Amino acid sequence: DIQMTQSPSSLSASVGDRVTITCRASQGISNFLAWFQQKPGKAPKSLIYAASSLQSGVPSKFSGSGSGTDFTLTISSLQPEDFATYYCQQYNSFPYTFGQGTKLEIK
Amino acid sequence: QVQLVQSGTEVKKPGASVKVSCKASGYTFTSYGITWVRQAPGQGLEWMGWISAYNGNTNYAQKLPGRVTMTTDTSTSTAYMELRSLRSDDTAVYYCARVSDDDYNQKIDYWGQGTLVTVSS
Repeated sequence: DIQMTQSPSSLSASVGDRVTITCRASQGISNFLAWFQQKPGKAPKSLIYAASSLQSGVPSKFSGSGSGTDFTLTISSLQPEDFATYYCQQYNSFPYTFGQGTKLEIK
Repeated sequence: QVQLVQSGTEVKKPGASVKVSCKASGYTFTSYGITWVRQAPGQGLEWMGWISAYNGNTNYAQKLPGRVTMTTDTSTSTAYMELRSLRSDDTAVYYCARVSDDDYNQKIDYWGQGTLVTVSS
């Protein structure tokens, strides 16, 4: 199975900051990488697919990049509603696997 | 608008089975697939498998050997996930999600609200 490792596991930031979360795959996955946001007690929300394409309705403050094994999610100008847990997922090969999550907290 | 509405909370005893439903609306059901993802309390997301609503093709996680079956009913635009021989570590919120209908590289776009399944004696 492909292992997905996110860093950091948790991150404290302030409103208005720009943050970057990293996701590394244990083997190459081309650009078959998605990012999700999850708030406590809620279902995940899809943000990005194909490493850098925004899902419909997702604001452009979210951006993704990378290919192969190394990927990043960047969130600019943090707002209170952005504080949540973020997950990456590879969908290059079965079984599709998720990163362990990055919890973004308010400083 | 696309909606995936899941069935309600379940409480089961060890060894029992559970069948969770996911009713789709707002799109052509057979033009997409459905994936199932679970999340144990306080834990991350775990991919369970995928089913094509077009032709019923499936792919299941090897971690659930022979215990999971995913089906669809195209007449009601509903997907089902049945998990058998339940154990306490199957306690989790189970999510369905819509995926592109390709045999490989299916990307998730919309999610259901989740169904809590508790396994306890």
